[in-house]
Amino acid sequence: DAEITQSPRHKITETGRQVTLACHQTWNHNNMFWYRQDLGHGLRLIHYSYGVQDTNKGEVSDGYSVSRSNTEDLPLTLESAASSQTSVYFCASTGQGNTEAFFGQGTRLTVV
Amino acid sequence: QKEVEQNSGPLSVPEGAIASLNCTYSDRGSQSFFWYRQYSGKSPELIMFIYSNGDKEDGRFTAQLNKASQYVSLLIRDSQPSDSATYLCAVNVNSGNTPLVFGKGTRLSVIA
Repeated sequence: DAEITQSPRHKITETGRQVTLACHQTWNHNNMFWYRQDLGHGLRLIHYSYGVQDTNKGEVSDGYSVSRSNTEDLPLTLESAASSQTSVYFCASTGQGNTEAFFGQGTRLTVV
Repeated sequence: QKEVEQNSGPLSVPEGAIASLNCTYSDRGSQSFFWYRQYSGKSPELIMFIYSNGDKEDGRFTAQLNKASQYVSLLIRDSQPSDSATYLCAVNVNSGNTPLVFGKGTRLSVIA
C-alpha cells in the first residue's frame, strides 16, 4: 500500500545544530508540504513543493529549507536549531487537484 | 491573508447527540473545503470534503457549505466517545495545487 513516512519520530537536539527531518511518500504525488503544529496555532505551512526542483516558502519559512531532488522525498532542514522550533512537524502530500492530503505520522522535535 | 476560523472548544456533547462543528473562511474565492479528524498524538486524517453549496452526507457525518456566508460546518450524528478528537477545517482557494489553509481546530469531547 502507498504511504507517507517521516523519520525520525522523535528527536532532541541542541540549539545551533543543523537538523534534517525526512519525509518519503510512495503515492507518486507531485505535491508535498511541511507543516508545524503548535498549541494555539494549529497547522502552519513551512515549505512546499509542486514537483522535482520546485520549492516554495510558506507562512513560517524563516530558519527552514527544503530541497526536492526526486518525486518521493522532501527533507526539511533546520539550518541552526532554535528553541522556538520545538514543535511537532507533519509532512503531507497530495495528488493533482488537491482532493485529499495524506499526512505522515509526525516528528516531535525538541530543541534544548 | 487567507484565514480559516474555528471555535477552539472544547465542545462537549453527550453520547448519542448531534455534534455541530463550525468553520468560517475569509477568502471568497475558496473552492474546496475539507474536514480532518486528529486524535491526540496522531496525524490528521480526512473525514470529508465538499465543493458545492449544500449538504453532503457520508454515514454519520454531514458537511454543509454556504459560500455566500463563507461558512462550512460538520455535523456528527449519534456521537460516540470514539469521536472525541480535534476537528480541523481546511480550505483550498483554487481548485489546483494551492496549499491547504487550516483552522486551529475544535476539540470535541463526547461524554458517555
